[in-house]
Amino acid sequence: LAKTTQPISMDSYEGQEVNITCSHNNIATNDYITWYQQFPSQGPRFIIQGYKTKVTNEVASLFIPADRKSSTLSLPRVSLSDTAVYYCLVGASGTYKYIFGTGTRLKVLA
Amino acid sequence: DAGITQSPRHKVTETGTPVTLRCHQTENHRYMYWYRQDPGHGLRLIHYSYGVKDTDKGEVSDGYSVSRSKTEDFLLTLESATSSQTSVYFCAIRRDGDTGELFFGEGSRLTVL
Repeated sequence: LAKTTQPISMDSYEGQEVNITCSHNNIATNDYITWYQQFPSQGPRFIIQGYKTKVTNEVASLFIPADRKSSTLSLPRVSLSDTAVYYCLVGASGTYKYIFGTGTRLKVLA
Repeated sequence: DAGITQSPRHKVTETGTPVTLRCHQTENHRYMYWYRQDPGHGLRLIHYSYGVKDTDKGEVSDGYSVSRSKTEDFLLTLESATSSQTSVYFCAIRRDGDTGELFFGEGSRLTVL
């Protein structure tokens, strides 16, 4: 099982770019890297997913170096509504037994 | 959102009583999961299923059992609820295919008095 490590919390101001890095040293060859966002009293929701290099969608970018042992979620110009917990999850090839890490609690300040 | 419905959404029960939470999906995905989340904490995997009648334990399976008699339903049972099982329970499905994103239900808040 690929264990992930993220910072426990981060603070940012509105309009800034936020980068959250996740370490996953034991990632398997076939594993995808997926990021989720969770608001209080809601289930996590999918933000972005990648396998290697860079992926961008309408809400975020995901940077994955060549060795794939880490990944960075980039949120451009955050707003107060981006205050949430962000989880990095690495695909559990073979078992599909998905174990979440602690997540990163992002607080966006006005 | 993969058509996931959890029931009940809220339940208050007493210590020692049995409780069953239901997760229903409309898209026939193979993998289904039960997680619990306690205040200020992350998601912990209880049990998961990889097909009808095929289930396996997660990180915190003690005190919980599951059943999956048909593809669309995954039941989580607390045979004798304890106060330590007060939590929010989330069901999730894994989208079939290589990428396998998880989609979560809205959660079931259980309080054991």
